[in-house]
Amino acid sequence: GDSVTQMEGPVTLSEEAFLTINCTYTATGYPSLFWYVQYPGEGLQLLLKATKADDKGSNKGFEATYRKETTSFHLEKGSVQVSDSAVYFCALSAKIQIRGAQKLVFGQGTRLTINP
Amino acid sequence: SQTIHQWPATLVQPVGSPLSLECTVEGTSNPNLYWYRQAAGRGLQLLFYSVGIGQISSEVPQNLSASRPQDRQFILSSKKLLLSDSGFYLCALGTSGAQETQYFGPGTRLLVL
Repeated sequence: GDSVTQMEGPVTLSEEAFLTINCTYTATGYPSLFWYVQYPGEGLQLLLKATKADDKGSNKGFEATYRKETTSFHLEKGSVQVSDSAVYFCALSAKIQIRGAQKLVFGQGTRLTINP
Repeated sequence: SQTIHQWPATLVQPVGSPLSLECTVEGTSNPNLYWYRQAAGRGLQLLFYSVGIGQISSEVPQNLSASRPQDRQFILSSKKLLLSDSGFYLCALGTSGAQETQYFGPGTRLLVL
């Protein structure tokens, strides 16, 4: 079945450091790919998405490129801030074949802590 | 814009008690709605989804059930809670279109004692 594997956490960086969180996937067909972020005690917020190969999603300085050849969707940010501390989830969408409904398959999440 | 409300925010219930969690959405019509659970050691898992009033599909067998009595209301229920039902329950709304994107509500944290 479809699956997502994320870089093991936790990840701790200093402010202004470069961030990479690795994500690889296994899927039949061509799923859409997503990064969600979860701040303490809150629900998931969509960070960025890509719907086809070579698409680059970007938001708030974060970027990820849909790489079909390596089945990857790594999250990057050039200079992290303390406010980026959160748990990050990579996910793919698997169609359920009913009126466009999709099942999101998530990675296990990566906890990121940024120190000032 | 679309808004997702979940109620209650936090709940502590004894084993064997009933459960009712509510999700309501605004700013959209006839959406796809989803219930996910986030539990320690089990990650995020899809429980139920609904493509319309009265239409419920279950992804995993369990002692939970879901209902959709109105277009913008999605309810998660149980007749008798188990310890293993503890977790963070998230309602999600799927946007319409060829490539659906799901947006999540604030969640309900459930602790079963």
